[in-house]
Amino acid sequence: QQQVKQSPQSLIVQKGGISIINCAYENTAFDYFPWYQQFPGKGPALLIAIRPDVSEKKEGRFTISFNKSAKQFSLHIMDSQPGDSATYFCAASKGDDKIIFGKGTRLHILP
Amino acid sequence: DVKVTQSSRYLVKRTGEKVFLECVQDMDHENMFWYRQDPGLGLRLIYFSYDVKMKEKGDIPEGYSVSREKKERFSLILESASTNQTSMYLCASSPWEGGAGGETQYFGPGTRLLVL
Repeated sequence: QQQVKQSPQSLIVQKGGISIINCAYENTAFDYFPWYQQFPGKGPALLIAIRPDVSEKKEGRFTISFNKSAKQFSLHIMDSQPGDSATYFCAASKGDDKIIFGKGTRLHILP
Repeated sequence: DVKVTQSSRYLVKRTGEKVFLECVQDMDHENMFWYRQDPGLGLRLIYFSYDVKMKEKGDIPEGYSVSREKKERFSLILESASTNQTSMYLCASSPWEGGAGGETQYFGPGTRLLVL
């Protein structure tokens, strides 16, 4: 029940396309859902996050869509660029408990 | 800017050696974490600490120990390194938000450890 399931494991998208990464969770007590972005040779860094009181959050080309009833959330990258090529981790946490990370998605944007 | 630094980017050790990985953060964060990252397995929490001299086991603590003598420093110790501990080790820190949750974790660049 503490797991966060992330798919796909890897994704290849043409430049200018939309990249979509999905995550699902079981624990309805989770109340914070961040996405982290990791470039090769670097540690992950917070990209965007959402709380379950809203269904969507947008920051530039990055959008989180949240479906509370389905216990799913997804990251959409619009107009994907080669510089977006990275590994993306979804995550979930509740209160002051530790963050649970998904297994990651390696995204490659073709130039 | 929050900075989390790790003592080494790359490390090669022999089986049975005692290994120390050091992590320092400069933002006065209460929380510090050690993860290991392996392909297909994502980030797995080894140990974390909410305060000086305090430590809690994560999901995979076996074969590891930690030390937090000062607020800014969190050390991961491999008592007797084994080949299955070859991995990328990531340190992170986050502020304490009074239990509200949602604290951003700030990661260091990682230490890639090879145990021969």
